[in-house]
Amino acid sequence: KNEVEQSPQNLTAQEGEFITINCSYSVGISALHWLQQHPGGGIVSLFMLSSGKKKHGRLIATINIQEKHSSLHITASHPRDSAVYICAAGGGANNLFFGTGTRLTVIP
Amino acid sequence: GAVVSQHPSWVICKSGTSVKIECRSLDFQATTMFWYRQFPKQSLMLMATSNEGSKATYEQGVEKDKFLINHASLTLSTLTVTSAHPEDSSFYICSARVAGTAYEQYFGPGTRLTVT
Repeated sequence: KNEVEQSPQNLTAQEGEFITINCSYSVGISALHWLQQHPGGGIVSLFMLSSGKKKHGRLIATINIQEKHSSLHITASHPRDSAVYICAAGGGANNLFFGTGTRLTVIP
Repeated sequence: GAVVSQHPSWVICKSGTSVKIECRSLDFQATTMFWYRQFPKQSLMLMATSNEGSKATYEQGVEKDKFLINHASLTLSTLTVTSAHPEDSSFYICSARVAGTAYEQYFGPGTRLTVT
């Protein structure tokens, strides 16, 4: 059983659609990270959160500590949002556990 | 926001040579930095934890004599791949934990190493 599981593994959306990527974890965490990895490989830290909700532009991340679940939402999706989105949970005294990623393709 | 840089972003080297990758925290101090590697279509795997001024802690199966880590300052950690082989070709990523925090850390963009 993986400590961090993401769904879906692959997601194709039309431009403008609202997108949700889910992350469930089984480990105790200090924080949960959402990362974006572009086709060329470069990684961008999107969010780090330990409770509640954070918003940055068209991106929203939420976390429910009791349910051990986090979601990443993208509003008004655009082809440039096409990337792999990775959830990582843990921190503190624990290593981070990484999900296997969700590959998002936004079609014009 | 907190920024972590890596240099170079990509490098090609010949078998048997050594390659150094730098990880810098640009606007914060980091007492702890982490080094990961990622093979194609796989997730990030922790290689080692680097603490400023002390020896790095390596994960099981990672050769410490092959992957030399130096964390000489609060803003810089380096990973040197010694005597590189084609199987060392991978994407190497660092993250840096903000000094004085228990879990606040930020990721670098990664370095793609190709060994020919």
